[in-house]
Amino acid sequence: GQQVKQSSPSLTVQEGGISILNCDYENDMFDYFAWYKKYPDNSPTLLISVRSNVDKREDGRLTVFLNKSGKHFSLHITASQPEDTAVYLCAAGANYQLIWGSGTKLIIKP
Amino acid sequence: GGIITQTPKFLIGQEGQKLTLKCQQNFNHDTMYWYRQDSGKGLRLIYYSITENDLQKGDLSEGYDASREKKSSFSLTVTSAQKNEMAVFLCASSIRWGRGAETLYFGSGTRLTVL
Repeated sequence: GQQVKQSSPSLTVQEGGISILNCDYENDMFDYFAWYKKYPDNSPTLLISVRSNVDKREDGRLTVFLNKSGKHFSLHITASQPEDTAVYLCAAGANYQLIWGSGTKLIIKP
Repeated sequence: GGIITQTPKFLIGQEGQKLTLKCQQNFNHDTMYWYRQDSGKGLRLIYYSITENDLQKGDLSEGYDASREKKSSFSLTVTSAQKNEMAVFLCASSIRWGRGAETLYFGSGTRLTVL
C-alpha cells in the first residue's frame, strides 16, 4: 500500500505543553519522512525531515521519532506556543515520490 | 531566496474545456512537481520532472498532461475539465532528491472551479 495516514484531524494543546502529532505509513520501502507546516491561505513549508537510517532527529523545539518496524513517525513540539497553531502535514516516500497525509490541525490554547 | 509563481491564481472553466496552469521558479532547482489538493485529502502527485526535458507520471496523471518547457517553468494541462471539479493545484520545486535536497518549495496554488 501507498497510504500515509494522520488519524487525528485536530489536536488542542495548552500553551507550554508538548504537542505530539502522529503519522502512519504502509510502504516499508519509504526512506524519507517529513513534516510540513501550513498556515491558512499559505503553502506548506518544511519543518523537519529524516531519512530511514536514523530513529530520531532534534531541531530546537522539534523532534521527529521514526519507528520503522511499526511504520510510524511522529513530531513532538515542546513548549508549544500560540504561533504553533497551524495544519501539520506529514509526508513519506522514496525517489521523488512523496505520499502525503491529510493533515492535523494543531490549536495551541493560551 | 527564490520564489515560485503560479498563474492564474483562480481558474474557472467549462466542462470538457482544456485548461492550462503555469508555474515558474527562480531557485534554479532541477526538479519540479504538480500536486492536486482536495479538501480533506492529502496532496496527490500528478506529474513531476526530474530535470529539464524530463517528465514522469505520478499516481494521479490520468486526465492531465504536463510540459517542462525549460528549467524554470513547468505547465500542467487539464485535458478535459470535469464538471463539479474543484481543487487547488500546487506547484513545487526541489534541488533534486537525496542528501537533504528533497525539500519542497511550493507556489501559492491555482484554485480550479469547473462549471
